[in-house]
This record gives sequence, C-alpha cells and structure tokens, in this order.
Amino acid sequence: EPEVTQTPSHQVTQMGQEVILRCVPISNHLYFYWYRQILGQKVEFLVSFYNNEISEKSEIFDDQFSVERPDGSNFTLKIRSTKLEDSAMYFCASNVGQSYEQYFGPGTRLTVT
Amino acid sequence: AQSVTQPDIHITVSEGASLELRCNYSYGATPYLFWYVQSPGQGLQLLLKYFSGDTLVQGIKGFEAEFKRSQSSFNLRKPSVHWSDAAEYFCAVGAAGANNLFFGTGTRLTVIP
Repeated sequence: EPEVTQTPSHQVTQMGQEVILRCVPISNHLYFYWYRQILGQKVEFLVSFYNNEISEKSEIFDDQFSVERPDGSNFTLKIRSTKLEDSAMYFCASNVGQSYEQYFGPGTRLTVT
Repeated sequence: AQSVTQPDIHITVSEGASLELRCNYSYGATPYLFWYVQSPGQGLQLLLKYFSGDTLVQGIKGFEAEFKRSQSSFNLRKPSVHWSDAAEYFCAVGAAGANNLFFGTGTRLTVIP
C-alpha cells in the first residue's frame, strides 16, 4: 500500500540554524500539507500546497517557514532560523483532493538546542 | 471558529472491555469527521471517516463511530479492546473544499490485562 514517507526521522539542530524536512507524498496525490505537534499538545495545521503554490497557511507559518516541491516527488519544509519553540514533531500529509482523507507520514522529530 | 474537544485526556480500560472515546466539534459548515490513531513514535493512521450518508461508520481494527449532528458529536467505539489498541486517539474535523484539518488534543488509551 502506498504511503507518505519522511526524512529524517529525527533532526537535532542548534538555534539559529536552517533545517529542511523532507517528505515524499503518495504519488498520485495532488495536495500536500505540513502539520506540527509540540510535545503533549494537539496536531496543528501549518500549510497546504497545491499546483506548486501555497493554498492556505496558518498564523504559525510565518516568514521563517517556506515550502517547496523541488521535483516531481519531494515536498520540503524549510525553517530558516530555528528557535527553541520550533522543537516539535512535523508531519507531512497528502491527499488526492481537498475533500478526501489526508494520509500522514511517520513524522520528523525536530529538536532545537 | 472551528474547534474539536476531546474531554478525556486519559482513559484506562481492561482488555476485553468496551470503549467509547468522546469527541465534540464546533464547525459552521457541514463537517467531515475523522478519527486518527497514533502509536508511540509513529505517525497518524486513519481509523475511520464520516463525510455523508449513514451516520454510523465502520473503520479498521474493529472501531466504529457515530455522527450525531444534534449533539455535535462523533464518538469512537469498540466493543472489545485489545492490548494493541493502547495508543493516542485524535478526532479531527475538516470541510468540503477546505485544506486543513482541526485536531482535538487527543485521548491517551491505556489497556490493562
């Protein structure tokens, strides 16, 4: 069964450094998403991406965040200058259309020290 | 504003006992409702979804949920819990044409022998 994959599974970085989290959505899916889950808290929507542009973003997704689909398979989330409060699990998700269930990847745990 | 409430932070049940996890939502439009399960260190797996039609929906692993519009609820049930059901359960709400899902804070299920 096709699945969403994410790399790395765990990333440790120092405050102020840039990180790129990578995702490979399911191949026939058209919509891509990033969510984050701070330890012990709810899963929160960050951004959605369709047709090579952001379709919606939350207030969490400020100027330090960016997303890109650099090729036909990868979908990346870049955090330009990480802060301690960026430490969280970041989930990538995809679906075939807006009104269909989203399939989530296993997540990347980001630890900012 | 959209919101999802899962009033039970932690539930403990005995193996073989029945289970009901509560979920209440607030959403202006007709909601799409989901239950996801997250095992420790894992991503989010879709258990079941409600889009329209029959208000009692069946999912994987023997779970079911019932949509009650009058109560704005979408409670998850299982008649006989297995030790492998121990995990975190998240209720989420979305809508037709919308990009993002709103998640509840989750209910952690512990199963005792």
